[in-house]
Amino acid sequence: DVKVTQSSRYLVKRTGEKVFLECVQDMDHENMFWYRQDPGLGLRLIYFSYDVKMKEKGDIPEGYSVSREKKERFSLILESASTNQTSMYLCASSSPGTDTDTQYFGPGTRLTVL
Amino acid sequence: TQLLEQSPQFLSIQEGENLTVYCNSSSVFSSLQWYRQEPGEGPVLLVTVVTGGEVKKLKRLTFQFGDARKDSSLHITAAQPGDTGLYLCAGVDSSNTGKLIFGQGTTLQVKP
Repeated sequence: DVKVTQSSRYLVKRTGEKVFLECVQDMDHENMFWYRQDPGLGLRLIYFSYDVKMKEKGDIPEGYSVSREKKERFSLILESASTNQTSMYLCASSSPGTDTDTQYFGPGTRLTVL
Repeated sequence: TQLLEQSPQFLSIQEGENLTVYCNSSSVFSSLQWYRQEPGEGPVLLVTVVTGGEVKKLKRLTFQFGDARKDSSLHITAAQPGDTGLYLCAGVDSSNTGKLIFGQGTTLQVKP
């Protein structure tokens, strides 16, 4: 079974703090994604990566950066957290050309910025 | 920009009732997926529909892909409390990057 793990289920940070969210997948997937999920807005793509050290902006990259130094790990960084970044963050992975683009998700990190 | 409009956003029904969730777009998708998300968990794939007009069944759930591959529906027959959750449709982005375009989601509550 594909497993995607996220470093924290719940996180509380203060405005201005630098925040790291980690995601690890164990299926050797090339593609990895970071989304934020807010009620009524569905999943919005922040960044994605299709290979080590490669990254592409999604629909809402402002205020975020990412890092992919190893194939299995994709990190989301909030350089200076703000209250409007309070949200559920979901990581996903997929392998191109297989499973017709099925994405496998982690359990999510609920981030609260005070 | 490809968009997916999902409706309704909320649905609260009694056990045993039928329901349909719709996912519509002005864009053509190569395939469309339906995910289900339970509280505290990430979305999990239910089904992928690929061919225009395709119908797939998963027990009491019936998924249909429109002939023009622009819309899809999820029909649940005789809903059970265990069907409660968030249902998300997602279209495969035409850029061939593996990206998905998600609808806003439908929160379903089935009361016993």
